[in-house]
Formats: sequence, C-alpha cells, structure tokens
Amino acid sequence: EAGVTQFPSHSVIEKGQTVTLRCDPISGHDNLYWYRRVMGKEIKFLLHFVKESKQDESGMPNNRFLAERTGGTYSTLKVQPAELEDSGVYFCASSQLWSQGREKLFFGSGTQLSVL
Amino acid sequence: AQKVTQAQTEISVVEKEDVTLDCVYETRDTTYYLFWYKQPPSGELVFLIRRNSFDEQNEISGRYSWNFQKSTSSFNFTITASQVVDSAVYFCARVGNMLTFGGGTRLMVKP
Repeated sequence: EAGVTQFPSHSVIEKGQTVTLRCDPISGHDNLYWYRRVMGKEIKFLLHFVKESKQDESGMPNNRFLAERTGGTYSTLKVQPAELEDSGVYFCASSQLWSQGREKLFFGSGTQLSVL
Repeated sequence: AQKVTQAQTEISVVEKEDVTLDCVYETRDTTYYLFWYKQPPSGELVFLIRRNSFDEQNEISGRYSWNFQKSTSSFNFTITASQVVDSAVYFCARVGNMLTFGGGTRLMVKP
C-alpha cells in the first residue's frame, strides 16, 4: 500500500515567487493535515481537512498561504508570494479516522522549501 | 500554548550504549495522548507509540521502552543497546485539539 506522498521533495525559489506543494494521502483517508518545521524548530500544525472541507485552519500563518483539497483526494498548499521566513520542511499527514487528533497519523517525507 | 519540550537537541552515543531521550509536556487536559515519532534520514515521520493519559504503565517494544510519569509530566524514551540504524531525529508530541510537537532530538549512533 502506498504511503503519503509529497511532491516536490525539494524546492528552491526566490523571494516573491509562488510555490505549490502537493500531497497525496493514503487512499481512503478522509483526514489530511499540513504541518511545517521552520528553522529546525518545532513541527507546527497548519491545517486539517476532512475530505474537501477545512476542519481547522488555525495554524495557517497568514493569507499568503492557501490550501485546497478539491474532491477530497490530494491537497495542494500554495505560498504566494513566498518570503524568506517560509523556508522549512512542510509535512503532510493523513489518517482514516478523526477522534480529536488522537489517531495515529501517517506522514509523508516532507517538502524542503528554500526561499532565497 | 501548551508546550512539549525536548531539552536535548542532539545526543551522540557509541553503538551498544543505552540512551534516553527526554520529553516534558504541559497540559491542562485531564485526558490527553502522547506520541513519539522517528524521522530517519529519508525524511518521513514514522509513528513509534501512542499513550493515553490514563495508562501509566511503562511499555517495552524490543529495544525500545517508554516511561510515562504523569506526576512529572514526562514521557521519556529509552533505546537499549543502540544501533547505527537508530540514528534519526526523534519527536515527542501531545494531542490537545491538534498534535503539538517538541523540537526534536537528533540522535547519532556511532559504530
């Protein structure tokens, strides 16, 4: 069974450009999460989808970040325009059930974003 | 914010040594869940264990063991007879309404 896949694995862009990250969750997992780790600090929650609906987007840092999950399958996270402080590793995770976050999450390998 | 603290940012041991990774958490909840995840060089976060707050029994899985002490809000992770393949970044996390991670501990096991 395929795990959570993220694309690209690395992205290097200049400040002001746009980048779109993609996450394909495990098939059948309704819950999809985005997290990020900036500057080697804690991994922080960005948002949570249940199917195509945003269940919780309280972690999104500002309106330069836009997440979508059309059709409830894969998700994209767009950063426009990118700033230097957006550099970090962006993780996607999925789970089949949702019990207030108590479930085991399956994570992807992350996208390393470098904004120069 | 209810934090998770992993005071050790980096630990280096020689193969076959035992090593303990510390995790201290803050919570105002009576019911909560704690996790450990491993991030090997390949990058993905791999689930290791989930423990709920009602179960204070220590758990052992092969060379891995976990010590949950509710009185000190700690959930420490011990690797016995470490191996080079254990080299990774280890994250402790707790759940309130979302997973809150600690800063991670990079473990380097040298041959």
